[in-house]
Amino acid sequence: EVQLVESGGGLVQPGGSLRLSCAASGFTFSSGYMSWVRQAPGKGLEWVANIKEEGNEKNYVESVKGRFTISRDNAKNSVYLQMNSLRDEDTAVYYCVRGWSLYYWGQGTLVTVSS
Amino acid sequence: DIVMTQSPDSLAVSLGERATINCKSSQSLLSSSNNKNYLGWFQQKPGQPPKLLIYWASTRESGVPDRFSGSGSGTDFTLTISSLQAEDVAVYFCQQYYAIPTFGQGTKVEIQ
Repeated sequence: EVQLVESGGGLVQPGGSLRLSCAASGFTFSSGYMSWVRQAPGKGLEWVANIKEEGNEKNYVESVKGRFTISRDNAKNSVYLQMNSLRDEDTAVYYCVRGWSLYYWGQGTLVTVSS
Repeated sequence: DIVMTQSPDSLAVSLGERATINCKSSQSLLSSSNNKNYLGWFQQKPGQPPKLLIYWASTRESGVPDRFSGSGSGTDFTLTISSLQAEDVAVYFCQQYYAIPTFGQGTKVEIQ
């Protein structure tokens, strides 16, 4: 059974940092893109970043470029999202998602940016 | 970025009746190399992550009831629920993966 389990969310002040982790199981993690998608409270879905199989290609939505960094460790079946210089508008549930086409989602972890 | 626009924003349908959701992309999602449309449909219920229903615009994901169907090509797509059931109350999103993924704004489906 495919499982994606996110962790690392929480309350952080504006300007602060958080590192999200996603532990994957039930599939060959090293093959295929991994992505992060977020959803602000009561809002729609926004793709945030993705990373190719070997980590040699990374893509970001414009609003997080220079602040967020996606990475992966295929030996640990894990993908990460380092979030720096957090803003109020980054408050959202962050989902770890399998594939370029986003075909399997974790349950999400809530990030709240507030003073 | 490819902009995805859904209509309507919300929809109230009687049980057993048909529900139709439209999705329009700002550029074609049809690949000339494989003749596939890079379009998916998702269902999201409160407190849950999105669930993939349809990919390649018309291919039903395993386990998805056959009352859900997808159609369309190029820039215009449709999700149809042929006979609405109570468990279909949810928000539905279209999403393109032809380029960096983007989503429609969502359509809320309720029981009339």
